[in-house]
Amino acid sequence: ELKVEQNPLFLSMQEGKNYTIYCNYSTTSDRLYWYRQDPGKSLESLFVLLSNGAVKQEGRLMASLDTKARLSTLHITAAVHDLSATYFCAVLRANTGNQFYFGTGTSLTVIP
Amino acid sequence: NAGVTQTPKFQVLKTGQSMTLQCAQDMNHNSMYWYRQDPGMGLRLIYYSASEGTTDKGEVPNGYNVSRLNKREFSLRLESAAPSQTSVYFCASRSRDISSGANVLTFGAGSRLTVL
Repeated sequence: ELKVEQNPLFLSMQEGKNYTIYCNYSTTSDRLYWYRQDPGKSLESLFVLLSNGAVKQEGRLMASLDTKARLSTLHITAAVHDLSATYFCAVLRANTGNQFYFGTGTSLTVIP
Repeated sequence: NAGVTQTPKFQVLKTGQSMTLQCAQDMNHNSMYWYRQDPGMGLRLIYYSASEGTTDKGEVPNGYNVSRLNKREFSLRLESAAPSQTSVYFCASRSRDISSGANVLTFGAGSRLTVL
């Protein structure tokens, strides 16, 4: 059974601080996705990581992928209130092309 | 507007009632998906359809049926709703990102279902 685990589940941080969200997965995959969900809204794609060592950055968010460790991280630099949301990682199961499995999500609250 | 459209956005059912969630995409995508989202459990795949006329079970298919009516539409049916099916349901379709070449999902706005 494929498992995708995120930690922490809940994160409350002050503006200006740095923090990292972790995503571990249990199957071979070289496709790792990060999505953002605002309360009551749909999911919005943030990053697609395609290979071992891939790093993507957008504003205060940076995502990386280590396929050997089956680990992806989403690093938040100098958090601002607008980053408050739930963040999901997702894995595309290898050799299927079709099955995306999502983590449990990390609910981030940035406190002014 | 191009995208994935789900209806209804909200629905309240009594135990045992049936209903169908509708999903349509106008992006000419082959693959479509139904997920449910529950607190602390992330999104779990119910069913997916790789192409018109095909459907496959995901992680949690029990209690659901699906129909891929045509390339645009993929519906999810609850024949006899149970309180355990109270959830937010998301439809998605898969495309290939132009810049990266990777498969990516585009989600609908979600349908919040409550079963009493």
